[in-house]
Amino acid sequence: GENVEQHPSTLSVQEGDSAVIKCTYSDSASNYFPWYKQELGKRPQLIIDIRSNVGEKKDQRIAVTLNKTAKHFSLHITETQPEDSAVYFCAAGRLSGGYQKVTFGIGTKLQVIP
Amino acid sequence: DGGITQSPKYLFRKEGQNVTLSCEQNLNHDAMYWYRQDPGQGLRLIYYSQIVNDFQKGDIAEGYSVSREKKESFPLTVTSAQKNPTAFYLCASTNRGQGNEKLFFGSGTQLSVL
Repeated sequence: GENVEQHPSTLSVQEGDSAVIKCTYSDSASNYFPWYKQELGKRPQLIIDIRSNVGEKKDQRIAVTLNKTAKHFSLHITETQPEDSAVYFCAAGRLSGGYQKVTFGIGTKLQVIP
Repeated sequence: DGGITQSPKYLFRKEGQNVTLSCEQNLNHDAMYWYRQDPGQGLRLIYYSQIVNDFQKGDIAEGYSVSREKKESFPLTVTSAQKNPTAFYLCASTNRGQGNEKLFFGSGTQLSVL
């Protein structure tokens, strides 16, 4: 099965700086890579996702890059704000028949210091 | 908090007891999932179902059982065979088709052993 490793497990940045979270995956057949944000006491929510036929995707201050050859993908948050403080989970897996089955990383706790 | 509802919010299990966690969605989603969240271990897939009356084991199905008799409902039973059931349980659903892959999570159930 798929194995996803995520690091760092904790990350502290000053407000306005950039934050980068990195993940690696093991299954070369994985074609779907979502990122979820979980604020304290709340449910996880999708913030961005990327498919294997795309190398990079950006949405305002958030971007994700994918290197299929090296089997790693990264989340980049620019101009961080205190409301970015949360746990971020990467995931990797397959979209098949319109459905998904992904494996999650252990999560990165991001703290943005005002 | 509409869309996908989990109950109860907190649940306590005695030794040797089976307990059932409820998950209901009114999003007309075909697929439903159960995840277990432990500190430092991310989200691990227990069971998933892509259609009524059909479900598949995830990565950590031992000691758990599910049913999918209705499209809207996907209850999870934690059996006495699950020796370490204390965790936060998240139910999720998703629709099929490109652009609909994101998981919608419920607010979770915290299960503890007495």
